Amino acid sequence: AQSVAQPEDQVNVAEGNPLTVKCTYSVSGNPYLFWYVQYPNRGLQFLLKYITGDNLVKGSYGFEAEFNKSQTSFHLKKPSALVSDSALYFCAVRELRTDSNYQLIWGAGTKLIIKP
Amino acid sequence: NAGVMQNPRHLVRRRGQEARLRCSPMKGHSHVYWYRQLPEEGLKFMVYLQKENIIDESGMPKERFSAEFPKEGPSILRIQQVVRGDSAAYFCASSPRTGTTNTGELFFGEGSRLTVL
Repeated sequence: AQSVAQPEDQVNVAEGNPLTVKCTYSVSGNPYLFWYVQYPNRGLQFLLKYITGDNLVKGSYGFEAEFNKSQTSFHLKKPSALVSDSALYFCAVRELRTDSNYQLIWGAGTKLIIKP
Repeated sequence: NAGVMQNPRHLVRRRGQEARLRCSPMKGHSHVYWYRQLPEEGLKFMVYLQKENIIDESGMPKERFSAEFPKEGPSILRIQQVVRGDSAAYFCASSPRTGTTNTGELFFGEGSRLTVL
């Protein structure tokens, strides 16, 4: 079965510094990987995805993620953090079920706090 | 994700009452997923539906909870005889029909926040 791990419950970064939110995965076959962000009292918003191609994927709000097959990782990054980036971040992997139906398997989430 | 509509956004019920949460997927989407989220926690999968068909309900409690997605109208998550432990945010997500062109991205609503007194 597919699985996703976000090893950090919380990440603290000073505004202007680079940030990394970690995600590792376990899948059979080629992974379809996603990052979502959740602001307080809101639904989840799609940030970016990796399907195939370049290992560096660019997404919304200046975020990017690096797919590393040998380390089975898909870390989320941003060169310069903003206070407004403070939110809950979720990594997910697509799991294909029978009859072409699928689900997303979710990490537990990482709370990102950007301090001014 | 603005296209997935959930209502009500906030619902207050007393113990023993029923809660009905509605979700209208994005236009053209035929798959709906329901998730539950406790404060500051992750998403817990509940159920996955297509029109008139439950695909996977492995995350649904065996009692008091049910879900449907009729041919016409929104998907409904129904919680009977609510208890305080049912207090949570319930999120709906939708996706297009499956197929090799579908990458698996889900589109989320803003959630329905249930408070049981």
